[in-house]
Amino acid sequence: AQSVTQPDIHITVSEGASLELRCNYSYGATPYLFWYVQSPGQGLQLLLKYFSGDTLVQGIKGFEAEFKRSQSSFNLRKPSVHWSDAAEYFCAVGANTGTASKLTFGTGTRLQVTL
Amino acid sequence: KAGVTQTPRYLIKTRGQQVTLSCSPISGHRSVSWYQQTPGQGLQFLFEYFSETQRNKGNFPGRFSGRQFSNSRSEMNVSTLELGDSALYLCATPHTNTGELFFGEGSRLTVL
Repeated sequence: AQSVTQPDIHITVSEGASLELRCNYSYGATPYLFWYVQSPGQGLQLLLKYFSGDTLVQGIKGFEAEFKRSQSSFNLRKPSVHWSDAAEYFCAVGANTGTASKLTFGTGTRLQVTL
Repeated sequence: KAGVTQTPRYLIKTRGQQVTLSCSPISGHRSVSWYQQTPGQGLQFLFEYFSETQRNKGNFPGRFSGRQFSNSRSEMNVSTLELGDSALYLCATPHTNTGELFFGEGSRLTVL
């Protein structure tokens, strides 16, 4: 069965500092991998995705993530955090079957940004 | 292009009642997935419908059910509500070509 681990429940960074959110997955084959962001009271917004090809993927809002098969990781990074990035971030894995309608999510990492 | 629309956004029910939530997917999309989000269990897959047929089902009791209509709108129903059913229920549709999921803003259910 597929699973996702986000080891950091809560992270605090200063505005302008770099950010890395960790994600490890368990899946038998090459998975579809996603990062979503959720602001309070809102649904989920897709930041970026990895399906195949280049292992470094660029997303919206200046985020990027790197797929490392050997480490079963898909960590999210941003070189300079803005106060508006404060939210909850979810890593997810889906079956590589053409459409990833059934996703398994991690428990999320809440990001706090200090000014 | 309209996004995923969920109604109602907020609702309060009491234990033992039943509730129906609605989701209208992105126009032209035939697949709808439902997720439950709670502080304790996080985001969990409920079920997926494609062209009015349930294609996938998560590990939830039979009190949770759903259906999809010919216009792709979907409803989910929870019968005999329990306190633990209090959650944000999210609906999503996948992009036709890329498969990525687009989520609605959710229906927040509170069971008293």
